[in-house]
Amino acid sequence: AQSVTQLGSHVSVSEGALVLLRCNYSSSVPPYLFWYVQYPNQGLQLLLKYTTGATLVKGINGFEAEFKKSETSFHLTKPSAHMSDAAEYFCAVTNTGTASKLTFGTGTRLQVTL
Amino acid sequence: EAQVTQNPRYLITVTGKKLTVTCSQNMNHEYMSWYRQDPGLGLRQIYYSMNVEVTDKGDVPEGYKVSRKEKRNFPLILESPSPNQTSLYFCASSLRGMNTEAFFGQGTRLTVV
Repeated sequence: AQSVTQLGSHVSVSEGALVLLRCNYSSSVPPYLFWYVQYPNQGLQLLLKYTTGATLVKGINGFEAEFKKSETSFHLTKPSAHMSDAAEYFCAVTNTGTASKLTFGTGTRLQVTL
Repeated sequence: EAQVTQNPRYLITVTGKKLTVTCSQNMNHEYMSWYRQDPGLGLRQIYYSMNVEVTDKGDVPEGYKVSRKEKRNFPLILESPSPNQTSLYFCASSLRGMNTEAFFGQGTRLTVV
């Protein structure tokens, strides 16, 4: 079985501040981990993914995430928030044995204030 | 342009009136899937298809049907919609499975009254 927990359904940061969105996963086999972003009235778009190899993964729009096996975490960060980053962010997990299914977290809505 | 197209984007219907939400992708993807998104619950998988004529249930299949007669199309059918199926629905496709990048449609907001 696999699952994802996203801590904090709403996160608010000031423009220019660090963005940190938390994600912890549970998987009985090595996971594939993803962050997707959903802008208002749109579908989901892939931000970044971890499959194997380097544990620090860089994605689009300046975001990155680090896979930490010992902590079962895959937190998303961005050094400096921009107003255009306001969106809902979903962490998701799958693995080689369950390619049929991507299990999503409940999402974190990021608000960016001036 | 590579895309997943869902129609309609918005739909209000009455309980019991059969409806179909269409989904089409132009990327020759083998894998397609339907999700519903509800506040506080994230996205939950309804059905998926690994290829033409191959479909299987996801986590919340009750009240839904799907078919995959052609590679590009994966319609979602609600034979007798009920108010608890009011939700935001997303179709997704990927090359072979959800361990590769998934492309999502823009969503269909369904209200059943």
